[in-house]
Amino acid sequence: EAGVTQFPSHSVIEKGQTVTLRCDPISGHDNLYWYRRVMGKEIKFLLHFVKESKQDESGMPNNRFLAERTGGTYSTLKVQPAELEDSGVYFCASRTSGSKETQYFGPGTRLLVL
Amino acid sequence: QKEVEQNSGPLSVPEGAIASLNCTYSDRVSQSFFWYRQYSGKSPELIMSIYSNGDKEDGRFTAQLNKASQYVSLLIRDSQPSDSATYLCAVKNTGNQFYFGTGTSLTVIP
Repeated sequence: EAGVTQFPSHSVIEKGQTVTLRCDPISGHDNLYWYRRVMGKEIKFLLHFVKESKQDESGMPNNRFLAERTGGTYSTLKVQPAELEDSGVYFCASRTSGSKETQYFGPGTRLLVL
Repeated sequence: QKEVEQNSGPLSVPEGAIASLNCTYSDRVSQSFFWYRQYSGKSPELIMSIYSNGDKEDGRFTAQLNKASQYVSLLIRDSQPSDSATYLCAVKNTGNQFYFGTGTSLTVIP
């Protein structure tokens, strides 16, 4: 079974540019989460999809961040325009619904905004 | 106050010893607790989950939960150099959000 995949693995952009991160969850996982880890800090929740619906987006920093999950399969996270403080590692995780709460994490996208 | 607190370490133990990792959480009504292991540059990997007070054992790993004290711990017996990693404590609240600690760096010395 393929794990959670993320693309790109690394991205270096200049302040003001746009970047789109992609996450492909494990097939059949309805729940998809985006997290961000800024250097030296804890992994922080950004948002949670159940299928194509945003269940909780309370962790999104501001309106420069837009997440979508059209069709309930893969998800994208767009940052527009990027700021220096957006640098960090963006993780995606997925899990099945029901009593099992195990999240499977992707390898992350390392974003550096210069 | 942070949702989940961990001692960042680093924690060093000799090979074969018991490593003890601790975590406290602030939301008294949290129901689900997790320990993840993260090797440098890799994604977090779930190693233990615990939902009820008491101990839960899985191989060399034992998770301990005390809801009254809002405390979760992870014991690693017979520590191996391959256990050297950052261990993340995570707590799921009633709103389905997962909160992570900053992690404890563990080094097992051969």
